[in-house]
Amino acid sequence: DGGITQSPKYLFRKEGQNVTLSCEQNLNHDAMYWYRQDPGQGLRLIYYSQIVNDFQKGDIAEGYSVSREKKESFPLTVTSAQKNPTAFYLCASRQGGFNQPQHFGDGTRLSIL
Amino acid sequence: AQKITQTQPGMFVQEKEAVTLDCTYDTSDQSYGLFWYKQPSSGEMIFLIYQGSYDEQNATEGRYSLNFQKARKSANLVISASQLGDSAMYFCAMSAGYSSASKIIFGSGTRLSIRP
Repeated sequence: DGGITQSPKYLFRKEGQNVTLSCEQNLNHDAMYWYRQDPGQGLRLIYYSQIVNDFQKGDIAEGYSVSREKKESFPLTVTSAQKNPTAFYLCASRQGGFNQPQHFGDGTRLSIL
Repeated sequence: AQKITQTQPGMFVQEKEAVTLDCTYDTSDQSYGLFWYKQPSSGEMIFLIYQGSYDEQNATEGRYSLNFQKARKSANLVISASQLGDSAMYFCAMSAGYSSASKIIFGSGTRLSIRP
């Protein structure tokens, strides 16, 4: 079955540590996205990418970094510069224009030790 | 600037009743799409229904329908005959632009609770 796989499901970070969240899709979608969701809140866009080796900052990119070396992979690194990283992170992909929905992974819950 | 507003933080509905979740939007684009997603407590985002700005008919998908009023810039989700499994967060979202990487913005969500 085609879909988006996020790993790990739960992740714990120590102070001053960088952590990387994995996102892999086998839908052959061009665009991929990372969102952050705080408890009881909506989704806020961190980064998005339309093609390999190209990505753009979203609304809350500070303290995060991404890469897009392969079409199917879009990992997110939460750096030590992100002072409040505890949140639920969702990865999505999409193919086509404004009339196409995003497909989402199951998310990663990141907590600080 | 594009904006999505959901004014109902939470709603309680009796099982088998119909429920309307409100969504208003703002955009200067002529071509745009409106989406509704369901997020159960487990966290995954489930796509429910889509309405395009040029669609003349309201979208329907099973028990879900979208009450699209373009002049009022509203795109309310109607769930008929609600079930206990409908209890979840519901998000309205909008996309504009022809690129697949055009941003999709989300509202703040409505938490729907179905009473047995």
